[in-house]
Amino acid sequence: DGGITQSPKYLFRKEGQNVTLSCEQNLNHDAMYWYRQDPGQGLRLIYYSQIVNDFQKGDIAEGYSVSREKKESFPLTVTSAQKNPTAFYLCASSITRTALGGYTFGSGTRLTVV
Amino acid sequence: DAKTTQPPSMDCAEGRAANLPCNHSTISGNEYVYWYRQIHSQGPQYIIHGLKNNETNEMASLIITEDRKSSTLILPHATLRDTAVYYCIVRVGSNYQLIWGAGTKLIIKP
Repeated sequence: DGGITQSPKYLFRKEGQNVTLSCEQNLNHDAMYWYRQDPGQGLRLIYYSQIVNDFQKGDIAEGYSVSREKKESFPLTVTSAQKNPTAFYLCASSITRTALGGYTFGSGTRLTVV
Repeated sequence: DAKTTQPPSMDCAEGRAANLPCNHSTISGNEYVYWYRQIHSQGPQYIIHGLKNNETNEMASLIITEDRKSSTLILPHATLRDTAVYYCIVRVGSNYQLIWGAGTKLIIKP
């Protein structure tokens, strides 16, 4: 079945360490997105990519970095510069940037800084 | 900031229709209204979207007022599995981005 796979489901990081969250899709979607969700709140956009080798900052990009070397993959690195990284991270994709058919989300990665 | 306003929580009896309201008074002419839901600690699930006409699919119906300043998501026969947070989202036209609010926590009671 087509879909988005995020790994790992749970991740623990020590303060000062960088960590990379994986996102892979087999839907042949052009556009991919990373969102952050804090308890009781909606999703906030970190980065998005409309095509391979291109990506743009979202509303809360500071302390994060991404790459899009392959259409299927859009990994997110949470750097030590992110002051409050503990959150639920969601990856999504859509057919195109202007897709009218909605977004497909992964099941999320819960990151905890210890 | 979110461009939509939703009640923080609602209850509905199992088997009854669940009507979830959403205000989007500043919506512009080319902005769509999307509805998603999120079951606890999972990724959001797309439900339905519309521009100005009422829409229906196998999951729900979307009723948009004529002035487009508000809409209602209708789950016709709610089940316990419909318990989730429901997000009403306006898609920003120029950047094609979704702006998420805090949503409505819908609890279906037996």
